[in-house]
Amino acid sequence: GQSLEQPSEVTAVEGAIVQINCTYQTSGFYGLSWYQQHDGGAPTFLSYNGLDGLEETGRFSSFLSRSDSYGYLLLQELQMKDSASYFCAVRPGYSSASKIIFGSGTRLSIRP
Amino acid sequence: DAGVTQSPTHLIKTRGQQVTLRCSPKSGHDTVSWYQQALGQGPQFIFQYYEEEERQRGNFPDRFSGHQFPNYSSELNVNALLLGDSALYLCASSLAAIKGTYEQYFGPGTRLTVT
Repeated sequence: GQSLEQPSEVTAVEGAIVQINCTYQTSGFYGLSWYQQHDGGAPTFLSYNGLDGLEETGRFSSFLSRSDSYGYLLLQELQMKDSASYFCAVRPGYSSASKIIFGSGTRLSIRP
Repeated sequence: DAGVTQSPTHLIKTRGQQVTLRCSPKSGHDTVSWYQQALGQGPQFIFQYYEEEERQRGNFPDRFSGHQFPNYSSELNVNALLLGDSALYLCASSLAAIKGTYEQYFGPGTRLTVT
């Protein structure tokens, strides 16, 4: 089968750093993406890793290790507005036409 | 630049009825994917449309069908509604011509309640 695992909840303090891990099992792999979703809102794209290593976009970074089927999203200088659900997502097929599979999401709560 | 739009925003239907949800992709996008998101869960892939054809399908029964029009807009139809079909239905658009269309733009969703 195909599955993604990520923690259901994470709590952190404003201004701190938090890491959200994601492990996956798929029959193929064409990249790992991260999406953010605020309550009542639509998912918004944060980052994509197609190759091993770290991708940085402002306060957010994402890492991928294909040999370990593992990735993480790193959020720095946490702000209250970062309180949201974060989803990792993979394309199991070897083409951009492949469907995308989402994890169940990690609910991030930020404390003052 | 118009983003992804969906209609209606909310919908209440009775078990056994049929429903049609609509989606207009982001300007310039040609691929539309539909997802079902239950409360507290991640989006579940229903199917994807490109060039007016269903290109990929998730693990959903034939009661779920769709269509894409020449202007790239799309419809999701669900027949014989069940209580378990109550969820947020999300439409996402992307551009197939870009290698590795990993970035999808989501619409605000349609909240469907089946009673």
